[in-house]
Amino acid sequence: DAGVTQSPTHLIKTRGQQVTLRCSPKSGHDTVSWYQQALGQGPQFIFQYYEEEERQRGNFPDRFSGHQFPNYSSELNVNALLLGDSALYLCASTYGPWETQYFGPGTRLLVL
Amino acid sequence: AQSVTQLDSQVPVFEEAPVELRCNYSSSVSVYLFWYVQYPNQGLQLLLKYLSGSTLVKGINGFEAEFNKSQTSFHLRKPSVHISDTAEYFCAVSGGSNYKLTFGKGTLLTVNP
Repeated sequence: DAGVTQSPTHLIKTRGQQVTLRCSPKSGHDTVSWYQQALGQGPQFIFQYYEEEERQRGNFPDRFSGHQFPNYSSELNVNALLLGDSALYLCASTYGPWETQYFGPGTRLLVL
Repeated sequence: AQSVTQLDSQVPVFEEAPVELRCNYSSSVSVYLFWYVQYPNQGLQLLLKYLSGSTLVKGINGFEAEFNKSQTSFHLRKPSVHISDTAEYFCAVSGGSNYKLTFGKGTLLTVNP
């Protein structure tokens, strides 16, 4: 049984560019959440998608947007990248918004 | 709003010694509590969770935690650690109208031979 998968594993961008990160949830899961983990910090909640809608959003600017597809996979888009967007981006999936979240390995984004 | 405080940023211990990683939380509603472990260059792995019921929760790899509502704590313990337990440990809380997990800043456990 495949767990949560994310792609790519690593990414290097320059300031002002746009990036798209992808997440496939664990089999049977229908809810995807995204987190940003800066170096030396705990993960910070970006948003959660359920039934293809944004269910809850954390304290992140509108440059961060997302999408959930009918097969429950999800994308995180970040526009106008800043140096401070450099972080590990984690995707977590659950069956329903309230269940235990299971995390993928993350995408490490470096903005130069 | 919910918050989590992990009282120790680093905990060094010797192999086969007991360890306790401390976590305090703040919430105005009933909570669900979690401990996750993160090995270098990896994602988060669930160690254990408290949803309801018994306040002593057992998890994987010999870890356990006790929910103490009066002290708003959820400390993680292991009676005898191994070198392979060296990792970053995160305490997290959710509940009420919050689907999200709110994490602490993490505790780096280093097990020395």
